Amino acid sequence: QKEVEQDPGPLSVPEGAIVSLNCTYSNSAFQYFMWYRQYSRKGPELLMYTYSSGNKEDGRFTAQVDKSSKYISLFIRDSQPSDSATYLCAMTRNQFYFGTGTSLTVIP
Amino acid sequence: DGGITQSPKYLFRKEGQNVTLSCEQNLNHDAMYWYRQDPGQGLRLIYYSQIVNDFQKGDIAEGYSVSREKKESFPLTVTSAQKNPTAFYLCASSTAGVGGNQPQHFGDGTRLSIL
Repeated sequence: QKEVEQDPGPLSVPEGAIVSLNCTYSNSAFQYFMWYRQYSRKGPELLMYTYSSGNKEDGRFTAQVDKSSKYISLFIRDSQPSDSATYLCAMTRNQFYFGTGTSLTVIP
Repeated sequence: DGGITQSPKYLFRKEGQNVTLSCEQNLNHDAMYWYRQDPGQGLRLIYYSQIVNDFQKGDIAEGYSVSREKKESFPLTVTSAQKNPTAFYLCASSTAGVGGNQPQHFGDGTRLSIL
């Protein structure tokens, strides 16, 4: 079983939709949780960095952590074509573990 | 602007050849990392370094070598022993937090292909 599981998609939504991206994990020792956005032929860009269970909001993005269910989510409100990218979740337990990424396309 | 610069953007390797990928950061970060990204496999850690003149093997170090002579620089050499080097290589850095839990910041990668 992988430490971090992420549905690869692809996910395709119309502009303005709410997008939900998810990762599950197996080890309850994970402490810090991150979401990265990666455009084609570019490096991952840090979007959200959270520690505890609960929600963290930054503009149109909300990161949610549910440690009891070992489940994290990234919500994107009012999605835009510029949000089209691959989204990677990551978490740490003295080293980094990355999900394989979910490819998102927002259709104008 | 602070950031991580990787060069070259594209690199081609001939049979039996060693090639070196450059990574420079001006974020004053202590820790630096090299990852390999293949489709469907996510990021796999090759090597990492927490301080100058010290580095550790990651999950897939065979066929690769690194050096850390300066805080700003962490070059990766892909040797001829690496039989499947075609991939997207990413360099990252972070502040040295306890247990390595600080977020990593990435460069824009080098795409290596075989001629």
